[in-house]
Amino acid sequence: ELKVEQNPLFLSMQEGKNYTIYCNYSTTSDRLYWYRQDPGKSLESLFVLLSNGAVKQEGRLMASLDTKARLSTLHITAAVHDLSATYFCAVADVSGTYKYIFGTGTRLKVLA
Amino acid sequence: SQTIHQWPATLVQPVGSPLSLECTVEGTSNPNLYWYRQAAGRGLQLLFYSVGIGQISSEVPQNLSASRPQDRQFILSSKKLLLSDSGFYLCAWSVVSVRDTQYFGPGTRLTVL
Repeated sequence: ELKVEQNPLFLSMQEGKNYTIYCNYSTTSDRLYWYRQDPGKSLESLFVLLSNGAVKQEGRLMASLDTKARLSTLHITAAVHDLSATYFCAVADVSGTYKYIFGTGTRLKVLA
Repeated sequence: SQTIHQWPATLVQPVGSPLSLECTVEGTSNPNLYWYRQAAGRGLQLLFYSVGIGQISSEVPQNLSASRPQDRQFILSSKKLLLSDSGFYLCAWSVVSVRDTQYFGPGTRLTVL
């Protein structure tokens, strides 16, 4: 069974600091996705990572994928308050279903 | 461009009442469709997904059901709501190949009293 774990679950950081969110998954997949959810809102797609070594960057966020280690990271550079949100990673189940398995989410709070 | 609609946006229902939530997608054909539920402050729970008209896969055995009467319409139903059915219900779609990401609708916030 494909399982996805994120850590940390909660992250409170000062503006201007750097930090990394980790996403580990249990079985083979080469398709990993990052989403952002603002309080009370739906999910918004951030990154799609489709191969080993893939790296995507948008503003202060950079995501990478290591399929051999079954690990993706979301790195935050010089955090700003606007990045406060919950971040989810998800992995596509490549066993023949069309499911996406989501991590538990990381609630990020950036303090001024 | 593709868009996804959900309604209603907010719903307050008494325990034991029926439920019908609707999701429609525009601008694409034969999408995979998904229903998720999110309890307050929690992650996403996959309830149902569909790869075609009339094809429904259930992930959670409970008092909910789903139907796909048309290619781009996905309906979530219940005959009798429970308190535990309260939550934020999200519909999502993706292209059949699953190499693309999922796109989420705006959600329906359901409160069962």
